[in-house]
Amino acid sequence: AQSVAQPEDQVNVAEGNPLTVKCTYSVSGNPYLFWYVQYPNRGLQFLLKYITGDNLVKGSYGFEAEFNKSQTSFHLKKPSALVSDSALYFCAVRDINTDKLIFGTGTRLQVFP
Amino acid sequence: EAGVTQSPTHLIKTRGQQATLRCSPISGHTSVYWYQQALGLGLQFLLWYDEGEERNRGNFPPRFSGRQFPNYSSELNVNALELEDSALYLCASSLGYTTDTQYFGPGTRLTVL
Repeated sequence: AQSVAQPEDQVNVAEGNPLTVKCTYSVSGNPYLFWYVQYPNRGLQFLLKYITGDNLVKGSYGFEAEFNKSQTSFHLKKPSALVSDSALYFCAVRDINTDKLIFGTGTRLQVFP
Repeated sequence: EAGVTQSPTHLIKTRGQQATLRCSPISGHTSVYWYQQALGLGLQFLLWYDEGEERNRGNFPPRFSGRQFPNYSSELNVNALELEDSALYLCASSLGYTTDTQYFGPGTRLTVL
């Protein structure tokens, strides 16, 4: 069965510092991985995805993610955090048999001024 | 380009009633997905429609049903509402390819009293 894990419920970082939100995956076959962000009382906004190719994927709002096959990880990163980045972040893997997204439990990012 | 739209924004029902939620996909998208985001349960896949057909459903009882119309919009029906059906219901659309991104709407907040 395919799954993703987000080991941290919350990540705190000071504005201007780099941030990392962790995600590990377990899949059979090629992984199709996604990151989404959710602001309070809103839907999910797509940030970036890894399908194939370069291990470093660049996405929206200055975010990037590094795909690491040996560590089965897909961590989300940003070189300099903004207070406005504070939100709930979800990692997801696409189940190729059912086409559904399987989500992690989410990580709340809090950026302090 | 308009994104995924959902209506209503909020819906309040009493136990035993029926709820109908609506979703309009991004223009050109043929696949529509429904997810439930309930407190403490995370994001769970409900249903997938493509070209008017139900392609897959998640682990939910049959009182959760829906359909997709010829214009690719979709409707989610929840019969015999129970208190635990209270959740944010998110609709997503995509072109239908496994590697394609699912784009989410703002959601419908269903409250069952």
